[in-house]
Amino acid sequence: NAGVMQNPRHLVRRRGQEARLRCSPMKGHSHVYWYRQLPEEGLKFMVYLQKENIIDESGMPKERFSAEFPKEGPSILRIQQVVRGDSAAYFCASSPGGTHGNTIYFGEGSWLTVV
Amino acid sequence: DQQVKQNSPSLSVQEGRISILNCDYTNSMFDYFLWYKKYPAEGPTFLISISSIKDKNEDGRFTVFLNKSAKHLSLHIVPSQPGDSAVYFCAAALSGAGSYQLTFGKGTKLSVIP
Repeated sequence: NAGVMQNPRHLVRRRGQEARLRCSPMKGHSHVYWYRQLPEEGLKFMVYLQKENIIDESGMPKERFSAEFPKEGPSILRIQQVVRGDSAAYFCASSPGGTHGNTIYFGEGSWLTVV
Repeated sequence: DQQVKQNSPSLSVQEGRISILNCDYTNSMFDYFLWYKKYPAEGPTFLISISSIKDKNEDGRFTVFLNKSAKHLSLHIVPSQPGDSAVYFCAAALSGAGSYQLTFGKGTKLSVIP
């Protein structure tokens, strides 16, 4: 499967625990994006990364959320001390370039449920 | 402040007929627009896009029309098929800095009735 790979697909966490979501971009893509979809809402941009660099994290909540895309391995979205409001679908996407016109391809998503 | 609006949460169409999904935007700086299709529990799948230098782009059964003066775009699916039943998201992007960032509408759920 040459698509964007996300895992886990479903994750249940208790309030206060940490959630880690992983994303491997499509082959040949070096630009990774994370989007969040709350219930009944559209997808909202969170962060844009390239290898070892955060390019734009303007959509990330100020606290508890962090993202990385190391030189080796997948991109990771980390949510510390989860709260019920973090329950959402988190979509990773990748593209070959960082400008529009480079189509962004999405993974199948990671559904986080905080109980 | 919703910059991309899809005012119809749902749409039902008979198989074989035309489906027209609408999208309005408020930011005149947007110059690239995309449509994504999404099935439940799956990620959005890219369908078709259009640059602001065009007013129409066609790909098989899918055509996107852009009316810049009205800040409106639409997706036409002809003929509609039951497999087209999904949620359709309109997305827009800016040129220049921030051009990678997509702004999505809330989606329109299309049901194609056999």
